[in-house]
Amino acid sequence: AQRVTQPEKLLSVFKGAPVELKCNYSYSGSPELFWYVQYSRQRLQLLLRHISRESIKGFTADLNKGETSFHLKKPFAQEEDSAMYYCALSGRNENTPLVFGKGTRLSVIA
Amino acid sequence: GAVVSQHPSRVICKSGTSVKIECRSLDFQATTMFWYRQFPKQSLMLMATSNEGSKATYEQGVEKDKFLINHASLTLSTLTVTSAHPEDSSFYICSARRTGRTEAFFGQGTRLTVV
Repeated sequence: AQRVTQPEKLLSVFKGAPVELKCNYSYSGSPELFWYVQYSRQRLQLLLRHISRESIKGFTADLNKGETSFHLKKPFAQEEDSAMYYCALSGRNENTPLVFGKGTRLSVIA
Repeated sequence: GAVVSQHPSRVICKSGTSVKIECRSLDFQATTMFWYRQFPKQSLMLMATSNEGSKATYEQGVEKDKFLINHASLTLSTLTVTSAHPEDSSFYICSARRTGRTEAFFGQGTRLTVV
């Protein structure tokens, strides 16, 4: 069964501090991992996907197959990073469902 | 690019009536669309996967006769909540995948209130 676990419901950090949002997954096969972000009163937006290996808004995430993790990191948090972050998983076939973790609310304190 | 429009954004209906929610991919073709339900302060719960031209695949515990999904074209999927009851009140969100890709783009959601 596919599952995404985000252990922290809420993460509070000070502005300028490093951020790490944890995500672990279970999937039989080769999954695709994503991070989505939802700012207040806005729709979900794709932040990044593991196969792109890119940095968006200063965030990066590396897929660790050994630890089955896809943690989201940013070296220096900004106030505008405050949002709800969801880790999601899908099979590589476009017909496979996209399954979400429960989400972590990031609060960046000035 | 990759805009998904969901309509209506809010709807209030009487108990026992049916409500249709539309999900459109405006600037791309979407073979696959997904319907989610989100309860307050909770994550998105996948209800069903909608594939153009075929029957939807429902997740365990989701009543297919209550939540009718139609994906008649590559740019439109509809979710009809039939014989709605107050417990169906929720935030319903659709997402669409560009054909051949795995990342999904989301609609703005529909707040359904059944009175």
